[in-house]
Amino acid sequence: AQSVTQLGSHVSVSEGALVLLRCNYSSSVPPYLFWYVQYPNQGLQLLLKYTSAATLVKGINGFEAEFKKSETSFHLTKPSAHMSDAAEYFCAVSLGSNYQLIWGAGTKLIIKP
Amino acid sequence: KAGVTQTPRYLIKTRGQQVTLSCSPISGHRSVSWYQQTPGQGLQFLFEYFSETQRNKGNFPGRFSGRQFSNSRSEMNVSTLELGDSALYLCASRQDYTGELFFGEGSRLTVL
Repeated sequence: AQSVTQLGSHVSVSEGALVLLRCNYSSSVPPYLFWYVQYPNQGLQLLLKYTSAATLVKGINGFEAEFKKSETSFHLTKPSAHMSDAAEYFCAVSLGSNYQLIWGAGTKLIIKP
Repeated sequence: KAGVTQTPRYLIKTRGQQVTLSCSPISGHRSVSWYQQTPGQGLQFLFEYFSETQRNKGNFPGRFSGRQFSNSRSEMNVSTLELGDSALYLCASRQDYTGELFFGEGSRLTVL
């Protein structure tokens, strides 16, 4: 069975600091991995996805994530946080394009001025 | 290309009533999924429809139901509303082959 663990329900960083949101997964086969972002009172928006191509994936708004099979991780990073990055971030895994996404619990990113 | 459209965006109901929410997926997408999001339980999968057939179902009581029409538009219905049904209900349409989900802005249901 697949599962996703996001470490930290809340992460607080200063504006301009590195953002690191952690996601670990378990999957019996090579997974598809996704990061979604949800701004207040909105739906979720895809940030980036890994589907067995390059292990370093670049997404929108300067975010990127690296697939590390040995660590079963897909952590999300951004070199310099901006106030507009304050949102909730969700990691998700699936077995393939026709399979259900399994979601992490989400991490709220707080940006301190 | 128009995104996923959900209606209504906000609604208030009282306990015991029923509600129907509507979702229009992105043109060409055949799969529509529904999620319930609450502060306490997070994002929970309700069901997925693909070409008018329910393909997957989450762990929700039978009061929650859905359907999909031939034009891929989907509706979900909740009967005999309870206070705990207050939530943001999100619809997502899925792109074939990539599996990427595209979400609507949600319907926020408040049950009084």
